[in-house]
Amino acid sequence: AQSVAQPEDQVNVAEGNPLTVKCTYSVSGNPYLFWYVQYPNRGLQFLLKYITGDNLVKGSYGFEAEFNKSQTSFHLKKPSALVSDSALYFCAVRDMIGSSNTGKLIFGQGTTLQVKP
Amino acid sequence: GAGVSQSPRYKVAKRGQDVALRCDPISGHVSLFWYQQALGQGPEFLTYFQNEAQLDKSGLPSDRFFAERPEGSVSTLKIQRTQQEDSAVYLCASSFRVGSSYNEQFFGPGTRLTVL
Repeated sequence: AQSVAQPEDQVNVAEGNPLTVKCTYSVSGNPYLFWYVQYPNRGLQFLLKYITGDNLVKGSYGFEAEFNKSQTSFHLKKPSALVSDSALYFCAVRDMIGSSNTGKLIFGQGTTLQVKP
Repeated sequence: GAGVSQSPRYKVAKRGQDVALRCDPISGHVSLFWYQQALGQGPEFLTYFQNEAQLDKSGLPSDRFFAERPEGSVSTLKIQRTQQEDSAVYLCASSFRVGSSYNEQFFGPGTRLTVL
């Protein structure tokens, strides 16, 4: 079965410092990986995705993620954190059932990012 | 442009009551998904539509849950005889098409259901 793990419930960083939110995955075949952010009382907002190509993916709001096949990881990164980045972050993998692809996502448990001034 | 909208945003139901949750996807989006997000958890897949066809309902937790998308646009998730364990945020998402694996899903704000 395909799965995603976010090993940290919460990440705390100071504003201006780099941040990393970790994600590891387990899939059969090629992974299609996504990061979403959720602000309070709002739906999930798409940040970035990895399908194929360059291992470093750039997304919205200055975020980027590094795909590492050997470590089965897809960590989210940002060079300089902002207080406004404080939110709940979800890593997700597209579920692949045999040769079919309904497109449904399997999400991690989420990581709360707290950026302090 | 308009995103995915959901209504109501909040719903309080007494145990045993039936509820209906509505999702308006982005215009032209073929694929529509429903997810359930329990408190402190990541969203979990419930069901998937391609146009009006419900192609995957493997995530529906019981036969009390029913979803439809009769004209391939608006979708309704219905929960019959609600139970306390149904309390969660119900998220709807749409994407332009399926079969193209790199399409991201666009999520609505969700409906927070509380069953007393």
